Amino acid sequence: NAGVTQTPKFRVLKTGQSMTLLCAQDMNHEYMYWYRQDPGMGLRLIHYSVGEGTTAKGEVPDGYNVSRLKKQNFLLGLESAAPSQTSVYFCAGGQGWTDTQYFGPGTRLTVL
Amino acid sequence: KNEVEQSPQNLTAQEGEFITINCSYSVGISALHWLQQHPGGGIVSLFMLSSGKKKHGRLIATINIQEKHSSLHITASHPRDSAVYICAVSGNTPLVFGKGTRLSVIA
Repeated sequence: NAGVTQTPKFRVLKTGQSMTLLCAQDMNHEYMYWYRQDPGMGLRLIHYSVGEGTTAKGEVPDGYNVSRLKKQNFLLGLESAAPSQTSVYFCAGGQGWTDTQYFGPGTRLTVL
Repeated sequence: KNEVEQSPQNLTAQEGEFITINCSYSVGISALHWLQQHPGGGIVSLFMLSSGKKKHGRLIATINIQEKHSSLHITASHPRDSAVYICAVSGNTPLVFGKGTRLSVIA
């Protein structure tokens, strides 16, 4: 089993460009999450999904969109990247709010 | 929203020392999680607990629900324990994370 994987691992964008980050899991997780991690800020929730076809906003959703068309995939989109979106992005999955979360390896994104 | 505070923010220890990292939260919870992040980024769940104490190898996690406080202990610390340790809490809502404790264990 691959667990939770993220694509790509690194990316550099110019301001205004768009991109999609892919999270894939083969652990049959119902719940999936996108976080960003910035120095001194800890992990912050961007968007989450409690099942296929559902999405909801987290703590810092502005500038991001998500989709969960298939249970195993959770996509995070940046429509018009800004330097403030420079961060490390982590995807995670689990079976519920109190369940153990399994994290992907992270994507380091730089927006110039 | 739950506020999660960790202390200390940074900790340097000599190999073999007993280490304690603390976590306090402001609102009642269903579960508390301890996670580990090594340099290079991967995040791994160490413990999830809702009461009492759990032990895994040299790591021990305790929680006091009444005091809204948890501790992570590392016995006989080793340089490979050097990492950021993150506390997170959950109820019927997404996890709320502390900012982490950066631990360096020197040989």
